[in-house]
Amino acid sequence: EVQLVESGGGLVQPGRSLKLSCAASGFTFSNYGMAWVRQTPTKGLEWVASISTGGGNTYYRDSVKGRFTISRDNAKNTQYLQMDSLRSEDTATYYCARLVLRVMDAWGQGASVTVSS
Amino acid sequence: DIVMTQSPTSMSISVGDRVTMNCKASQNVGSNVDWYQQKTGQSPKLLIYKASNRYTGVPDRFTGSGSGTDFTFTISNMQAEDLAVYYCMQSNSWTFGGGTKLELK
Repeated sequence: EVQLVESGGGLVQPGRSLKLSCAASGFTFSNYGMAWVRQTPTKGLEWVASISTGGGNTYYRDSVKGRFTISRDNAKNTQYLQMDSLRSEDTATYYCARLVLRVMDAWGQGASVTVSS
Repeated sequence: DIVMTQSPTSMSISVGDRVTMNCKASQNVGSNVDWYQQKTGQSPKLLIYKASNRYTGVPDRFTGSGSGTDFTFTISNMQAEDLAVYYCMQSNSWTFGGGTKLELK
């Protein structure tokens, strides 16, 4: 069974950093691209970042470029989202998703991130 | 950015109804549209990929169609467990529609 489990969410002050992890199981992690998607009641679902199978290619939405870094460790079956210079508008539930031909076919349960002083 | 406009934003339906919702892309996305179901408190779940392909294990009452800029998602025989918010997403650059919420009449 495919499982994606996010961790690392929490409350953080504006300008500070937070790192999310997504532990994968039930499939050969290194064969799949991965992504992060966030959701808020006001903006809905937003793609945040994606990474290729080997980690050599990464992609970001404009609003997080230069602040967020997506990475992966195929030996640990885990992907990460390093979030720096956090803003209040980054407050959201962050989902980890598996990519198959650019389709997000499996999602984690989500990690809540709140940016507030 | 490619904008995905979903309609309607909500629908009041009864069990057994045929439910149809639409998604319009601001530019041609080919067949690269997927449909997701999100129940309260859960993460989105893939139902239809590449406009018309049912994902593994998805009941055949769920269908998708369309290409280019106009896409349709249909539930042929609404069940109580289908109450959820449904989202379209274009996978060329990964943008989502605003969702269609199904509620019981």
